[in-house]
This record gives sequence, structure tokens and C-alpha cells, in this order.
Amino acid sequence: DGGITQSPKYLFRKEGQNVTLSCEQNLNHDAMYWYRQDPGQGLRLIYYSQIVNDFQKGDIAEGYSVSREKKESFPLTVTSAQKNPTAFYLCASSISQRINQPQHFGDGTRLSIL
Amino acid sequence: GESVGLHLPTLSVQEGDNSIINCAYSNSASDYFIWYKQESGKGPQFIIDIRSNMDKRQGQRVTVLLNKTVKHLSLQIAATQPGDSAVYFCAENQAGTALIFGKGTTLSVSS
Repeated sequence: DGGITQSPKYLFRKEGQNVTLSCEQNLNHDAMYWYRQDPGQGLRLIYYSQIVNDFQKGDIAEGYSVSREKKESFPLTVTSAQKNPTAFYLCASSISQRINQPQHFGDGTRLSIL
Repeated sequence: GESVGLHLPTLSVQEGDNSIINCAYSNSASDYFIWYKQESGKGPQFIIDIRSNMDKRQGQRVTVLLNKTVKHLSLQIAATQPGDSAVYFCAENQAGTALIFGKGTTLSVSS
């Protein structure tokens, strides 16, 4: 089945620790995205990548970093600089950001502070 | 920045009723709109989309209406079922820009 796989489903971070969330897609999509969702809120864009080896900051990039070394993978690192990391993190992909096509989402990673 | 909002945070309906979920958008340059359904603990699931050159589009039990004059989008669900209970988000964008999501409407269906 084609889709987006996020792992782990639940993640706990200690004070001062960096953690990395995995996102893999086998849809052959060029564009990939990371969103943060807080309770009762919509999705806010952290980073996006239109193509391999390229990525752009979204609205709330501070305290986060990404890489896009392979088309199918777009990992997100939540650094210790992110002071309020507790949230539901969603990864998405689309055929291309340059055309109007829907984004398809994974089932998220819930990050909590220990 | 520009944002997409929803008129009501919650909507409660009886099973078998028709549901209408509304969304207002502020960017008149937006030319593409999407409705997503999100169940608890899961990622948003694509329901239906519409481009700005259309004012209505139908899917299976769902219809999206777009009124560009008043910048309003709605999702109609026919014969609502308990499995339709979820949070519904609208999203808007122009090609080449990021999707902007509204805050969501929680639909509760009682049998």
C-alpha cells in the first residue's frame, strides 16, 4: 500500500535533549511537509521541502531542523531550543507544491516532555 | 498572515440528518480549497477539494460549495452517520504557497 509512515507514534523528550521524528513516503511525491498541531488548534507549518536537498522554513521553524537527503524521507529534529515541544506532529506529502493537489498525511507522532 | 477560519467549533447532529460545516477564508487570491477529516489520534484524511473556477463539487455523500463573492466554503454531508464523527478542517492555498488550515469544527453524530 502507498502511504506515509511516521514513527514513533509516541515519543518522550528529556530536558536538553534533541529528538528526531521519522517520516517516510512511498508515493513518489516531490514535496513533503511538517506540521505541528496543538489541542483544539489547526495545523501550523514548521518546514517544507519541494525537492530533494532543498527545504524552507514555515511559520514556526524556530527550535526545529530538517533534512531531505532522499526523496522518500523527511526527518524532523526537535532541538533543545524548542521550549514548548509538547504537541502532535504531522508529516504530509504532495505530488508537487507548484500545482494544486491535496497533501496526504501520516498518522502523526505525539511528543511529550518527561 | 492570512488565515482560514470556521464559523462554529462544534456541531451536533442526529444520525441520518444532513450536516453543513462552514468555513470563511480571507485571502481572495486563494484558488484551491480542501476539506479534511481528522479522527482522534490520526492524521487528517482528504475528503474533497475544489478549485476557484468551480462553485460546487460532489463526492460520495459529500458536497463542497464555494462562494467567492463572500469568501465562504461549506461542506455538506448527506445522511450523517456515527462514523462521520470527527474534526473537519478546511484549507486554502495558491499554487506554490503553503496550505493554510482553519481551526476545525468538531462534528458529533448521535444515534
